[in-house]
Amino acid sequence: DAGVIQSPRHEVTEMGQEVTLRCKPISGHNSLFWYRQTMMRGLELLIYFNNNVPIDDSGMPEDRFSAKMPNASFSTLKIQPSEPRDSAVYFCASRQGAFNQPQHFGDGTRLSIL
Amino acid sequence: DAKTTQPTSMDCAEGRAANLPCNHSTISGNEYVYWYRQIHSQGPQYIIHGLKNNETNEMASLIITEDRKSSTLILPHATLRDTAVYYCIVRASGNAGNMLTFGGGTRLMVKP
Repeated sequence: DAGVIQSPRHEVTEMGQEVTLRCKPISGHNSLFWYRQTMMRGLELLIYFNNNVPIDDSGMPEDRFSAKMPNASFSTLKIQPSEPRDSAVYFCASRQGAFNQPQHFGDGTRLSIL
Repeated sequence: DAKTTQPTSMDCAEGRAANLPCNHSTISGNEYVYWYRQIHSQGPQYIIHGLKNNETNEMASLIITEDRKSSTLILPHATLRDTAVYYCIVRASGNAGNMLTFGGGTRLMVKP
């Protein structure tokens, strides 16, 4: 079975540009999570969706960040405008069913803002 | 979520069992124990989880003490590809359990 698929794997762009990260969850999973990982702060939950509806976005750093899930098989995380401090690895994870079920992660997008 | 304590690093000989301990002495009754690992430049990989009974799957076994204050992840026959950072996470059920909090983990080095 295909796991969580993220694209692009690497993104390098200049400050001020719009960045869009993409995620395809595992088929049949009904929850989707966006995380950010840095050396300083570790893994942080940004937002999660349940049945395509955003449930908790309290981890989104500021209004420059937005996330959408137009259908069960696709989600985007957008940063506009991007800043150097947004440089990190962004992971998407999905989960099937109840809260005690495990989250399964993609291989992430390594984002560098110059 | 309860705090976990793991050794910073461990070595294991290839082909031998790797036993990774985790202390979670403040765990509460509705909190599950999860194990993930992260290999450099990859996303965290789910290994196994349990509440109070021992669990086994194709990757590993999870042994939880009767008082639930500690657990051990066992990789029965470690290979070089098992070299990774292993994270023990204690997480509540319900809405509070949606965020996975990864601590420092144990860096396992499997040696030939």
